[in-house]
Amino acid sequence: DVKVTQSSRYLVKRTGEKVFLECVQDMDHENMFWYRQDPGLGLRLIYFSYDVKMKEKGDIPEGYSVSREKKERFSLILESASTNQTSMYLCASSSGGRTPYEQYFGPGTRLTVT
Amino acid sequence: AQSVTQLDSQVPVFEEAPVELRCNYSSSVSVYLFWYVQYPNQGLQLLLKYLSGSTLVKGINGFEAEFNKSQTSFHLRKPSVHISDTAEYFCAVTMDGNNRKLIWGLGTSLAVNP
Repeated sequence: DVKVTQSSRYLVKRTGEKVFLECVQDMDHENMFWYRQDPGLGLRLIYFSYDVKMKEKGDIPEGYSVSREKKERFSLILESASTNQTSMYLCASSSGGRTPYEQYFGPGTRLTVT
Repeated sequence: AQSVTQLDSQVPVFEEAPVELRCNYSSSVSVYLFWYVQYPNQGLQLLLKYLSGSTLVKGINGFEAEFNKSQTSFHLRKPSVHISDTAEYFCAVTMDGNNRKLIWGLGTSLAVNP
């Protein structure tokens, strides 16, 4: 069974803290994604990676960075957390190649910044 | 630019009634279409997808969708809903030649009442 895991389901951090969200997939997928989900705004892509050490900005990269040192792991970093980054964060992965393979999602991390 | 419009943000329905969740997209090239479901406090999972071939696609949990190229639509249907179908439903599209990323609709919240 395919699996995408995220390091925490719930996280509470203080303004200004550096925050790491970890995502691991066990499907040998080339592509990995970080989204944030807010009520009424749907899913917005923050960053994605199509290979180890490769990354591309999504629609809302400001205030975030990412790291992909190994194929199975994709980390989202909030350099200095702010209250407007309180949100649900979803990680996903998909296979590479020409066929548009579906994305597989983790359970999400609900981050609260106080 | 591609976009996806889910025409209803909320759909209330009684148990055992039929339901249709509407999705329209804009694209001038070949597209691939997906419907995902998100149950409360969970990540997203794939309901069904259209890549090519028959325009009527069957998915999990009794859902089906019809691809209509002339109307640029991909509406999701179920003939008889259950309480357990209460969830958020997302329509997504990707285009041929650039299928790493999905373009997402804002979601439709389906509430099935007894």
